[in-house]
Amino acid sequence: QSALTQPRSVSGSPGQSVTISCSGTNSDVGGYDSVSWYQQHPGKAPKLIIYDVTKRPSGVPDRFSGSKSGDTASLTISGLQAEDEANYYCCSYAGSPWVFGGGTKLTVL
Amino acid sequence: QVQLVESGGGVVQPGRSLRLSCAASGFSFSSYGMHWVRQAPGLGLEWVAVIWYDGRNKYYGDSVKGRFTISRDNSENTLYLQMNSLRAEDTAVYYCTRETTGRFDHWGQGTLVTVSS
Repeated sequence: QSALTQPRSVSGSPGQSVTISCSGTNSDVGGYDSVSWYQQHPGKAPKLIIYDVTKRPSGVPDRFSGSKSGDTASLTISGLQAEDEANYYCCSYAGSPWVFGGGTKLTVL
Repeated sequence: QVQLVESGGGVVQPGRSLRLSCAASGFSFSSYGMHWVRQAPGLGLEWVAVIWYDGRNKYYGDSVKGRFTISRDNSENTLYLQMNSLRAEDTAVYYCTRETTGRFDHWGQGTLVTVSS
């Protein structure tokens, strides 16, 4: 059960786009379409923003989008806003265990 | 609305035990798989355990296997985590979360467990 690999940090200016990658194996990200992404502000519980690789829960802006290619999933945030500054975690089903990525801190410059 | 409220956290000595609870409301608790996810101070999320909607199947992360036990009482709408042989590295905020077909769509506010002598 190794953690999925995410960059420790990314940054962008308001209005720009950023992409966060999430690398796994064919036993997790590559083997299932149950990849989800969570946004976590300091001191708060995580919030689901993407599920099933590309789907958005109701209420999540369409600035957030997800994709997957092989063993790597990606989260793209377009039209960056100040409130997007947070930690982002990917998560994948891995055949009864689930596995999270190490997390990426997004800084809005 | 869906609510998940954890309780039972606190300071405990290494080697001792603690039981966490998660009170669920606002949805049909007995229809959903439930998970525990933890977060050590300043670190990322770590999946801990899952229990199926009917309690028949349970799975654990490698770091807690053999020490932690997940259970549920569907008549009381409550999820539990029995933590034995606690170690310093178990220090974390513990979240209960509801699973809907592979995603964690609702989370509690978390309860802090500190393992220290």
